[in-house]
Amino acid sequence: NAGVTQTPKFQVLKTGQSMTLQCAQDMNHNSMYWYRQDPGMGLRLIYYSASEGTTDKGEVPNGYNVSRLNKREFSLRLESAAPSQTSVYFCASNTPDRATYEQYFGPGTRLTVT
Amino acid sequence: KNQVEQSPQSLIILEGKNCTLQCNYTVSPFSNLRWYKQDTGRGPVSLTIMTFSENTKSNGRYTATLDADTKQSSLHITASQLSDSASYICVVRPMNTGFQKLVFGTGTRLLVSP
Repeated sequence: NAGVTQTPKFQVLKTGQSMTLQCAQDMNHNSMYWYRQDPGMGLRLIYYSASEGTTDKGEVPNGYNVSRLNKREFSLRLESAAPSQTSVYFCASNTPDRATYEQYFGPGTRLTVT
Repeated sequence: KNQVEQSPQSLIILEGKNCTLQCNYTVSPFSNLRWYKQDTGRGPVSLTIMTFSENTKSNGRYTATLDADTKQSSLHITASQLSDSASYICVVRPMNTGFQKLVFGTGTRLLVSP
């Protein structure tokens, strides 16, 4: 049981390049999330997927797209990277326990856009 | 605006000593309050979750308290160990909102020195 996995761990892009961050979970969770974490700020929600086949915008969706490929996988795409997207990106998934909605986080992808 | 503020921003303590981290929030009403531990280069890991009706929750050497009247929570670490060096993040889930609506604090960075 690997939990939530993310690839790659590190990435450097030039402004205008595109890339896709991959996330997978093996806990049979319905809901999955993408966050970004910047110095001095709390985690901010980019997009989420409440269940397979659905995606919705979070707090900071501009410049990003997502795909919920199947129940296990949720990818985040940067079509034209900008320096403002330099950040650490975390994927998370939700326990089915509706009382707490405990979230489990992946190890993160550190992205630098030059 | 829903906010979660944590203090201090950073803290250094000697191994074996106790410490207390603070969390003040303006989220109201709220469903639950969580404390996460985030090791450097890793994703956050849940330590405790308390519903609005709970006053205290323990997880080994970690004890969280909640005062819903003053909108304050604290995380007390007993007999600190070097492995406690990490960032500790307070997260509040508002009530009557979507399950994805979490409000994150910016964290307290703790360094336990030998």
